[in-house]
Amino acid sequence: DSGVTQTPKHLITATGQRVTLRCSPRSGDLSVYWYQQSLDQGLQFLIQYYNGEERAKGNILERFSAQQFPDLHSELNLSSLELGDSALYFCASSATGTSGTDTQYFGPGTRLTVL
Amino acid sequence: GDSVTQMEGPVTLSEEAFLTINCTYTATGYPSLFWYVQYPGEGLQLLLKATKADDKGSNKGFEATYRKETTSFHLEKGSVQVSDSAVYFCALKGQGGSEKLVFGKGTKLTVNP
Repeated sequence: DSGVTQTPKHLITATGQRVTLRCSPRSGDLSVYWYQQSLDQGLQFLIQYYNGEERAKGNILERFSAQQFPDLHSELNLSSLELGDSALYFCASSATGTSGTDTQYFGPGTRLTVL
Repeated sequence: GDSVTQMEGPVTLSEEAFLTINCTYTATGYPSLFWYVQYPGEGLQLLLKATKADDKGSNKGFEATYRKETTSFHLEKGSVQVSDSAVYFCALKGQGGSEKLVFGKGTKLTVNP
């Protein structure tokens, strides 16, 4: 158990819909990261938040957005869903997110299926 | 940009066989290097890491050495067990402020009794 929790575990929805994925980092960690794992793209970095502020952006679509709240939990919002958004979405956390040697600890993931 | 290339799987071994999974990277400077493991139905777990050239990361009998001259970080284990069956990901974190992990495509390992 990494200490990172994600809810829900599974999500099934229809095209055009909007969903919210939730992540709670390990106790004391200030940074949260979101990654998408799909069969064709592999594991791709989406976005990083550090202590409530966006710190880095990767291959995140404009239909997707995220935020980190004062209690440090984070939410990833996916809207106007398409079939191709079906994937496993991982959240990770690290202590600071500002040190090159920081380890990222991953949650169990949310499996999103868009029908 | 930064990238990681690891050997395509799947890899199938018998118990107690020697394991090598090759990983090479492209990055400027001195990235940090990681191996993560994903067991069926679970998230990624950090297996080992190395943060500077010639460092050796080790954990649970697995080892990998950070070779700057060959830009490699190959994963090895002397004697695999059925419980090692999983998908293994090589990853790097670039030098210079970016905290994102760049992953290889993963190598699926199956160990048969």
